Amino acid sequence: TQLLEQSPQFLSIQEGENLTVYCNSSSVFSSLQWYRQEPGEGPVLLVTVVTGGEVKKLKRLTFQFGDARKDSSLHITAAQPGDTGLYLCAGGGNQFYFGTGTSLTVIP
Amino acid sequence: NAGVTQTPKFQVLKTGQSMTLQCAQDMNHEYMSWYRQDPGMGLRLIHYSVGAGITDQGEVPNGYNVSRSTTEDFPLRLLSAAPSQTSVYFCASTAGEGTDTQYFGPGTRLTVL
Repeated sequence: TQLLEQSPQFLSIQEGENLTVYCNSSSVFSSLQWYRQEPGEGPVLLVTVVTGGEVKKLKRLTFQFGDARKDSSLHITAAQPGDTGLYLCAGGGNQFYFGTGTSLTVIP
Repeated sequence: NAGVTQTPKFQVLKTGQSMTLQCAQDMNHEYMSWYRQDPGMGLRLIHYSVGAGITDQGEVPNGYNVSRSTTEDFPLRLLSAAPSQTSVYFCASTAGEGTDTQYFGPGTRLTVL
């Protein structure tokens, strides 16, 4: 049973488009993290959100934690080919539970 | 700092063989974890450690053993490899739990024939 479900699983868009990736769970987490992973490498942390309703921005990336701390979204504005990768959310506490991942391809 | 290092990068085993995947970190982190990553499954926690001498099971511990004799090292042992253990294995470390950054190693790609 997967605690965290991500959607969509695959996303292919043109450079310059906007997109949103979702991370949903029936469980409450004390924190939620987003990672990006490139082929052949380990995931790299993008952001941590800890407060229900919290919004964080990282250049063209906007992260939001749901009010009930069960879900999160990642919005990318004006996607670029360098954004291509696997995006993973992870719910934290004593352990981390990872989502199923969203594979994003940005076509030049 | 080298961060989190893993060896080997690639390994092929026959069913029933045993081996140890090595993981080391030089950041003096207390928390270390082992994950496996399979297509469509994200990363699943195998075992984790909150400090030297302390280990605990994650979501998918069967078939794997760990030990934590030092802060720096956290090896993962496959006792009798099975084809179902074919996967990419990642080691991670973090200073603390919850909100702290997890730093991942480059991974070990294991194939069990």
